[in-house]
Amino acid sequence: DSGVTQTPKHLITATGQRVTLRCSPRSGDLSVYWYQQSLDQGLQFLIQYYNGEERAKGNILERFSAQQFPDLHSELNLSSLELGDSALYFCASSLSQGPDIQYFGAGTRLSVL
Amino acid sequence: AQRVTQPEKLLSVFKGAPVELKCNYSYSGSPELFWYVQYSRQRLQLLLRHISRESIKGFTADLNKGETSFHLKKPFAQEEDSAMYYCALRDYSGNTPLVFGKGTRLSVIA
Repeated sequence: DSGVTQTPKHLITATGQRVTLRCSPRSGDLSVYWYQQSLDQGLQFLIQYYNGEERAKGNILERFSAQQFPDLHSELNLSSLELGDSALYFCASSLSQGPDIQYFGAGTRLSVL
Repeated sequence: AQRVTQPEKLLSVFKGAPVELKCNYSYSGSPELFWYVQYSRQRLQLLLRHISRESIKGFTADLNKGETSFHLKKPFAQEEDSAMYYCALRDYSGNTPLVFGKGTRLSVIA
């Protein structure tokens, strides 16, 4: 167990809907990263937060947004969902924003029907 | 731009045979390379980090800057090595996100 907790484990929803994925980082970690894993694109970095502030942005769609709260947990909001958004969404955390190891959560599997 | 290529989607080997999972990268700066492993229905776990030069579960990987490669090797494959393996890269400073290859599924046949 890496100490990174993601909820829910599975999410089934319909096109056009909005969902929120939650991530609790390891105790003491200030950085949170979100990744999307799909069959065709592999693992892709979406966004990073450090101590509540956005630090880096990857291939994140405008329909997606994230935030990190004062207690350091993070939420990834996905709206106007499309079939192609079906994927595994991973959260990772690290101690700081520098050269620390990222520890991954078990992921949330999103199915858009 | 950073790019990681894992040319094999699937690699099947017999138990006891040597294993080499290939990883090539493209990056103009100073890279830091990683191997992550994902066993069935489990989260990604860090297997190796090139700067630590450790051997984990019998696996080793050497960064070859001339060939821009970071191949993962093990002399004798075990059935429990069957998993998905991802090579990843970031800037040595740690100030860029991890860029992952598309992964190689290793299947060790008894």
